[in-house]
Amino acid sequence: QSVLTQPPSVSGAPGQRVTISCTGSSSNIGAGYDVHWYQQLPGTVPKLLIYGDTNRPSGVPDRFSGSKSGTSASLAITGLQAEDEADYYCQSYDSSMSGHVVFGGGTKVTVL
Amino acid sequence: EVQLLESGGDLVQPGGSLRLSCAASGFTFSTYVMHWVRQAPRKGLEWVSAISGSGGRTYYADSVKGRFTISRDNSKSTLYLQMNSLRAEDTAVYHCVKDVGTNVYYMDVWGKGTTVTVSS
Repeated sequence: QSVLTQPPSVSGAPGQRVTISCTGSSSNIGAGYDVHWYQQLPGTVPKLLIYGDTNRPSGVPDRFSGSKSGTSASLAITGLQAEDEADYYCQSYDSSMSGHVVFGGGTKVTVL
Repeated sequence: EVQLLESGGDLVQPGGSLRLSCAASGFTFSTYVMHWVRQAPRKGLEWVSAISGSGGRTYYADSVKGRFTISRDNSKSTLYLQMNSLRAEDTAVYHCVKDVGTNVYYMDVWGKGTTVTVSS
């Protein structure tokens, strides 16, 4: 059971908008700690997609965006493309966990 | 170019030990927090451990605390993970990962990983 909860899967048609939620608690997202997102394409290692809640590293298309409110964060993909089919993970800091680093369970995005 | 190359993964029996290594290049290794993150077959990412740039601060997931030890040799730009009392549930690909900063924050460079299989 992950500290950060994500839906196991979401799907959408090409061109549609999909969102992935990442729900935490008062010891992580709710405490104001930043949320980061990673994309793992099939057969590859994770790649940083969003950092500090809303920031995109250089090279990440602007159809990916992040937001945060209360104890939850979201990743939105607008104009969904076939190459966006991947697993997506949120990550944050948790003050109550001994190691402090926590991941969500991951969400598989399927492009219909 | 920043590179992380893991080694040391193997098939080991339950209760056995293994030491993973990660050779880093392309950045000032001693500056950054480094992590180990694992991914069991067909499962999600699980953070395992982290260490500060100097090696003075270490952090562990509850699932490995007391069994795994993270360390680093900054003179060799190498990160280590000593794994003892291995269990079947430790079976995974273990990734060496660079943090973006000098405190635990987020991860910007991932190694391809080394495979650990715990089975009799």
